[in-house]
Amino acid sequence: NAGVTQTPKFQVLKTGQSMTLQCAQDMNHNSMYWYRQDPGMGLRLIYYSASEGTTDKGEVPNGYNVSRLNKREFSLRLESAAPSQTSVYFCASSSTTGDIQYFGAGTRLSVL
Amino acid sequence: AQTVTQSQPEMSVQEAETVTLSCTYDTSENNYYLFWYKQPPSRQMILVIRQEAYKQQNATENRFSVNFQKAAKSFSLKISDSQLGDTAMYFCAFCPMGNFNKFYFGSGTKLNVKP
Repeated sequence: NAGVTQTPKFQVLKTGQSMTLQCAQDMNHNSMYWYRQDPGMGLRLIYYSASEGTTDKGEVPNGYNVSRLNKREFSLRLESAAPSQTSVYFCASSSTTGDIQYFGAGTRLSVL
Repeated sequence: AQTVTQSQPEMSVQEAETVTLSCTYDTSENNYYLFWYKQPPSRQMILVIRQEAYKQQNATENRFSVNFQKAAKSFSLKISDSQLGDTAMYFCAFCPMGNFNKFYFGSGTKLNVKP
C-alpha cells in the first residue's frame, strides 16, 4: 500500500526554469494538499483541493499553480522558479476536511 | 488570525523516561481539530495523535497522550516510556472545522531521546 507518492525526491533548478511536482494517492481520498517547509519552520499550506475538480489557495500561493488531474493526482507547478522557492515540498491527502492527513516523503527543491 | 506556538525548539529525554512537549494556539473559532505530527530524519510526516475540540476527554494513543485545555488554548503532548525511535521533530497543528485552507503548523520541537 503506497499511500502518498511524490516525485521527484530531489530537484535542482536554475532561476527562471519551470517544473512540475507530481503527487498521487491510492487511498481514495477526496482532499489533497501541497505544503512547503522552510528551515526552522513548520509546514505552510500552498494550495489545497477539497475534491476532484476544485482547487483553492492556502497561506502562501504566490508563484505556484496546481492541477487536480483526477481524484488520485494533484500536481504543483512552478512556472518561473526563484531562489525563494528553495524548500522541501510535501503533498498530503485526507478523506475529508479535518481528518487525518497522510503525507508523502517530500521533494527537496533547490533553486540556484 | 490563527497561530500555533511551540516554545521549545529542542528537548532531550533519557530513554524510558517521560517528556512533555508544549503547544499553544490562538483562535476565535469554537470548533476545530488539533494534531501532533512526528517527522523523523527520514522527513516523512506521521500523525501521532488527534483531538477534536468539542471532546472534553483527552486523546490517548499507546504511549502518547495529550493534555487539552480549551480555555487556556493549550495542547501539550506527553510521551511516556520514551524510546530511541521517538527521536524526531514534533509539530503541533490546528485546523478549524470545515476550513481546508486554514491548516496551521507550529515551528516544531526537536526531541532527542538519549540511551
